[in-house]
Order: sequence, then structure tokens, then C-alpha cells
Amino acid sequence: EAEVAQSPRYKITEKSQAVAFWCDPISGHATLYWYRQILGQGPELLVQFQDESVVDDSQLPKDRFSAERLKGVDSTLKIQPAELGDSAMYLCASSPGTGPFHEQFFGPGTRLTVL
Amino acid sequence: QKEVEQNSGPLSVPEGAIASLNCTYSDRGSQSFFWYRQYSGKSPELIMSIYSNGDKEDGRFTAQLNKASQYVSLLIRDSQPSDSATYLCAVLTDEKLTFGTGTRLTIIP
Repeated sequence: EAEVAQSPRYKITEKSQAVAFWCDPISGHATLYWYRQILGQGPELLVQFQDESVVDDSQLPKDRFSAERLKGVDSTLKIQPAELGDSAMYLCASSPGTGPFHEQFFGPGTRLTVL
Repeated sequence: QKEVEQNSGPLSVPEGAIASLNCTYSDRGSQSFFWYRQYSGKSPELIMSIYSNGDKEDGRFTAQLNKASQYVSLLIRDSQPSDSATYLCAVLTDEKLTFGTGTRLTIIP
């Protein structure tokens, strides 16, 4: 069964350090999303890609966060420098395309702890 | 006003009973509605999607949508202990998916 892959599954870092997360969407899925989920809340969209282009990064804190999907397949989300408030689950999702009938499927997530 | 609202629970339901989870949304232009199940420490898993008014059934799950009332619900029949999880309602508006905070469901054996 096709799945979204993410790594690492867990990351512990100290504040002011740089961290990076990787995501490989379901094969053939053109749309890729990065979400952040704080404990007790629902996921919140950070950035959306359509192929290699950014469609929506309005909620991405661009002073410290960056995301890329250079070849339109896998993607990397980076935080530099990490802050205590960045501790959360970072989720990658993919869908075949955009539009009302395209379902989003999530990867296992990366649990980030900033000390 | 939150865009997608759910009762955070916890909702406790006896094993074998029907669990009813509710969600309201604020934007009348919302097009698609989804229910995700999330076990503690895991990622959300899509269990139901619904796009038009009425009921949609899949196994023990039934999603109900009422666009006039801006209300979507999920019924779980014959609840099992394995159904104990947080259920997230998600609403698609202008190609952006917005999640509620989730309802924590506990099935009591």
C-alpha cells in the first residue's frame, strides 16, 4: 500500500540549532503539504506545493522556516534557528492534485522536541 | 470565531453502542468535509470524506452533512475498544484544509 514517508521520526535539538525534516509523498501525488500540530490542537498548514512550486506559504514563519521541493517529488522542511515554541509534530501529507475531491494522506510525522 | 469547531470531549461510549461525533464550520462556501482518526502519538488517518448533503456509509462509519446548518457528524456503530482515539473534523475551503481541535473518544469495555 502506498504511503507517505517521513524522516526522522523523532528529533531532539537544542534551541538555536538547525533541524531538517524530509518527506517523500505517495508516488504520483503532485500536491505536497507540510503541517504543524501542537499537542491538543489540529494540524495547521505551513506550506503547500504543487509539483515544485509553492502554492501557499502564508503561515510559514519565513524568518526561520524554509521549505523546498526541488524536483517536484520529495521535500525538505528546515528550521533555523529552532526555538522552544517549535516543539510539535511536523506532518507531511500528499494528494493527487488540488480541488474539492482530492483527499490528503498523512505520513507518520516527525516529533520535534526543542530543549 | 473558530472556523471548525468540535467538542473536545472526552466522550465515553460503552462497547457496542453508537458513538456520535459532531462538527460545525463557519464558511458557507466550504466544499468538502473529512474525518480523520488519530491515535495518541500517531499521525491522522483518513476514515471518511463527504461532499454532498446527506449520509455516506462505509462499514461501521456513517458521515452526515447538512450544509444549510453548516454541520457535519460521524457515527460509529458497534463501537470497539480500538475506536478509542481522537477524531479530527477537517473542512476544505478555497483549497485549504482547516482542522478542528478534535474530539477524544473512549470506548468503555
